[in-house]
Amino acid sequence: GQNIDQPTEMTATEGAIVQINCTYQTSGFNGLFWYQQHAGEAPTFLSYNVLDGLEEKGRFSSFLSRSKGYSYLLLKELQMKDSASYLCAVRDQVNKLIFGAGTRLAVHP
Amino acid sequence: ETGVTQTPRHLVMGMTNKKSLKCEQHLGHNAMYWYKQSAKKPLELMFVYNFKEQTENNSVPSRFSPECPNSSHLFLHLHTLQPEDSALYLCASSSAGEAFFGPGTRLTVL
Repeated sequence: GQNIDQPTEMTATEGAIVQINCTYQTSGFNGLFWYQQHAGEAPTFLSYNVLDGLEEKGRFSSFLSRSKGYSYLLLKELQMKDSASYLCAVRDQVNKLIFGAGTRLAVHP
Repeated sequence: ETGVTQTPRHLVMGMTNKKSLKCEQHLGHNAMYWYKQSAKKPLELMFVYNFKEQTENNSVPSRFSPECPNSSHLFLHLHTLQPEDSALYLCASSSAGEAFFGPGTRLTVL
């Protein structure tokens, strides 16, 4: 079956670094995505990994290990506006985008 | 502006009503999706269309009926819904890369 796991909640301090982990077991693999979702809003795209390694985009980086079925999203220099849910999603071999339950991140002053 | 629009943004309906949600994408994508997001639950994939053909129906009750007349438009027809169907309904589209989401329709069933 399809399974994507990530922590339910995390807290961090403004200016710090936080790492959100995601493990997955899916029918095939055609890429892993991270999305940010603020309460009451639609998810917005953050990053995409299809090959192993680290993708860096400003304050956000995402890492993928396909052999381990593992990814993480790294957020640096945290700001209050980064308080949101972070969704890990995997595209399987038939173009289905499957989402994890999301990690609610609370950034404190 | 993500290029994916949804109407209406908010909808309140009774259990005997029939209504439709509309999604339109102007990104040239070949796949379109309907997702349901209930309070404190993960995004649930409902339907997937690839090149206008339905490729996934994730055990969704028949009171939800999708329609994809062309690769730019997607509808979700609703009839005899239940209060537990109240949720945010999100449309998304994609090609080979990331999926883009519309703003969603907040549905309340009384």
